[in-house]
Amino acid sequence: NAGVTQTPKFQVLKTGQSMTLQCAQDMNHNSMYWYRQDPGMGLRLIYYSASEGTTDKGEVPNGYNVSRLNKREFSLRLESAAPSQTSVYFCASSAPTGTNEKLFFGSGTQLSVL
Amino acid sequence: AQSVTQLDSQVPVFEEAPVELRCNYSSSVSVYLFWYVQYPNQGLQLLLKYLSGSTLVKGINGFEAEFNKSQTSFPLRKPSVHISDTAEYFCAVSDLTGSARQLTFGSGTQLTVLP
Repeated sequence: NAGVTQTPKFQVLKTGQSMTLQCAQDMNHNSMYWYRQDPGMGLRLIYYSASEGTTDKGEVPNGYNVSRLNKREFSLRLESAAPSQTSVYFCASSAPTGTNEKLFFGSGTQLSVL
Repeated sequence: AQSVTQLDSQVPVFEEAPVELRCNYSSSVSVYLFWYVQYPNQGLQLLLKYLSGSTLVKGINGFEAEFNKSQTSFPLRKPSVHISDTAEYFCAVSDLTGSARQLTFGSGTQLTVLP
């Protein structure tokens, strides 16, 4: 099973460039998420999508946009990259397991903005 | 709102030794507690969770954690570690809605098992 697939795995951008991080899941999950991981700060939620056609801001949405293209795909776009957006980005999806939801993560995208 | 503090950013330990990774949380409401593990170049995966009931919870790969409400702690323990346990470990907390978007992660503890 592929699970959650993210592309690309690595990317280097210059300040001001734009790019889109792609994410797809094959587990038929309704909810999908984008996190960033920075040293000493754990994971912080950027945006999430509770279902196809809906998106909501998380803790750190500034400088990002998202698109829930269909149930499988959830992309993250940086319109004008800044050095502060250098980070590791994780996509995740979730499934209900009784009283809570279990997260399934992709393997991450390491982004450097110069 | 809730928060999670992992006091140790790095924990080196020799193979076959016991280990404890500390986690303290703060919340004005009851919570669910989780430990996630991130192996090198991989995404996070759930190690164990406390939702209710017995305060001692067992997870994969021989890890266990004990919920202590009075001390607002949820330390992760393993009696004998292996080289393959080298990874980063994240404690996380959520409110009782159980929604993944309510998860708050700690800053992580890098466990390095030395031969």
